Amino acid sequence: GENVEQHPSTLSVQEGDSAVIKCTYSDSASNYFPWYKQELGKGPQLIIDIRSNVGEKKDQRIAVTLNKTAKHFSLHITETQPEDSAVYFCAVGGTNAGKSTFGDGTTLTVKP
Amino acid sequence: GAGVSQSPRYKVAKRGQDVALRCDPISGHVSLFWYQQALGQGPEFLTYFQNEAQLDKSGLPSDRFFAERPEGSVSTLKIQRTQQEDSAVYLCASSSDRGETQYFGPGTRLLVL
Repeated sequence: GENVEQHPSTLSVQEGDSAVIKCTYSDSASNYFPWYKQELGKGPQLIIDIRSNVGEKKDQRIAVTLNKTAKHFSLHITETQPEDSAVYFCAVGGTNAGKSTFGDGTTLTVKP
Repeated sequence: GAGVSQSPRYKVAKRGQDVALRCDPISGHVSLFWYQQALGQGPEFLTYFQNEAQLDKSGLPSDRFFAERPEGSVSTLKIQRTQQEDSAVYLCASSSDRGETQYFGPGTRLLVL
């Protein structure tokens, strides 16, 4: 089955700095790569996703890049704010009727 | 509009008890997923429905776990003879398409004593 690795497990940045989280996956047939933000006591919330036919997607301060050859993708958050503090999960899907495999998460702390 | 709702939000069970967890998906969403999230880990797939059909139950950890969605909307995840290792957050997600864009509920936190 699919294997997803996510790094780093924790990340602390100063407000206004950028944050980068990386994920690698094993199944070259995977073609859907979403990122989720999970706050304490809540379910994961989709923040951005990318499909394998594009290499980069941007939505305001958030961007995702995908390298299908190397089988890795990254989340970039610019101009971080304290409210960006949360756990972020990458996921990989598209090969098995919507079933997604998640990374273990990155706890992002943005210090004011 | 209303998102995915789950009930109860918290459940404490004694080892050996049966529990039932409910998921109300977004209206009209054909796909429904159940995930198990252990503390400090990402969600792990349990099972998937398209309408009332359970198309994939490969993630259910044992035959004590059973899920149903009889009318293609509300779903129930049932755990029989609960064990301590069943303690986790159970997440439900729904999708309007074949399941790529999933919307999650708040989860049910189950604690088995």
